[in-house]
Amino acid sequence: AQKITQTQPGMFVQEKEAVTLDCTYDTSDPSYGLFWYKQPSSGEMIFLIYQGSYDQQNATEGRYSLNFQKARKSANLVISASQLGDSAMYFCAMREGLAVRQFYFGTGTSLTVIP
Amino acid sequence: GAGVSQSPSNKVTEKGKDVELRCDPISGHTALYWYRQSLGQGLEFLIYFQGNSAPDKSGLPSDRFSAERTGGSVSTLTIQRTQQEDSAVYLCASSLGGGSSYGYTFGSGTRLTVV
Repeated sequence: AQKITQTQPGMFVQEKEAVTLDCTYDTSDPSYGLFWYKQPSSGEMIFLIYQGSYDQQNATEGRYSLNFQKARKSANLVISASQLGDSAMYFCAMREGLAVRQFYFGTGTSLTVIP
Repeated sequence: GAGVSQSPSNKVTEKGKDVELRCDPISGHTALYWYRQSLGQGLEFLIYFQGNSAPDKSGLPSDRFSAERTGGSVSTLTIQRTQQEDSAVYLCASSLGGGSSYGYTFGSGTRLTVV
């Protein structure tokens, strides 16, 4: 089974509107972290937001928030007030357990913000 | 350094040649990772190093791929007898240590083209 599933290969949003990018995950480890990264056309991977499995509240970072639904194993990224500069690939990732381990990445969602 | 540094940023090589890709992690980061991203794809885990522990090589696609990390700092990924399917962006990342809350800082990647 895929560890991270992103079912939206491409999304469009009007400038200044909010958009939700979906992510579901699969793990049996009670301790895990969920991350979202942005990859603009320049190629660098930019960390956006983190949610720990024991965190009670949804993570927020500026215009980014993570809609964490633990029972459904989903960790959707919400971008509010979209800007043209938000156009990029967005990757959801998970890290399991307490030791240093690899991240599992989804296949990404390409977001295009329309003026 | 301030960020993860990778060199070269671009490499074009002939099929059958060997290549070396370099990664200089953030000072003090004990964990170092290599990922590969093929065109339009997500990130494929290759290998990670943590301190002086034996590296996790479980993601290396073939014995043509190897990596080392000298002195717990700089890492070199070597691809021998390159093939066209090795063409991809090779991303290096480092993190402060273990635990699922530690995110990665990525380098800008090396774009490898095998002709």
